[in-house]
Amino acid sequence: EAEVAQSPRYKITEKSQAVAFWCDPISGHATLYWYRQILGQGPELLVQFQDESVVDDSQLPKDRFSAERLKGVDSTLKIQPAELGDSAMYLCASSLRQGLSAFFGQGTRLTVV
Amino acid sequence: GDSVTQMEGPVTLSEEAFLTINCTYTATGYPSLFWYVQYPGEGLQLLLKATKADDKGSNKGFEATYRKETTSFHLEKGSVQVSDSAVYFCALLYSGAGSYQLTFGKGTKLSVIP
Repeated sequence: EAEVAQSPRYKITEKSQAVAFWCDPISGHATLYWYRQILGQGPELLVQFQDESVVDDSQLPKDRFSAERLKGVDSTLKIQPAELGDSAMYLCASSLRQGLSAFFGQGTRLTVV
Repeated sequence: GDSVTQMEGPVTLSEEAFLTINCTYTATGYPSLFWYVQYPGEGLQLLLKATKADDKGSNKGFEATYRKETTSFHLEKGSVQVSDSAVYFCALLYSGAGSYQLTFGKGTKLSVIP
């Protein structure tokens, strides 16, 4: 069964360092989402891509976060510099196209110390 | 904006008990509705969905019916098992500002005891 792949599963970094997460969506899926989930809360959208274009990054803290999906396939989310409040689960999801069901990866658990 | 409200948890049930987790939504149009489940330390798994009013989504013994008149999508299961212990998220997918927005509730933690 096709899955969304994310790496790493766990990341511990010191504050003010840079950190990056990678996501490979299900093959053929045009829409890709990055969500942040703080412990005990629901996921919140950071950025949404349609192919290689950003269609929504209104909730992305652009002073420190960046995301790219250069070839419209896999994607990287970067934080620089990391802050203590960035500790969370970062979830990637994909869907065949906008408006259809989204499927999630296992997530990357980030701890900033 | 469009939003989802779930019942507060945690919910603790004995094995074989009946489960209801309430979910209501606010939307200007006709969103699609979803239930996702998250096991400890894992990502979200799509449990079931409904795309229009009166649709019933079902999977693994769970059911939810899209009720437009009450703007609800309550999750039910007739007989829960210990393996159903997880956090359940209600979500809606709606079209706005040129893109589709997938918005989640805060989640309801379910614990099933033997």
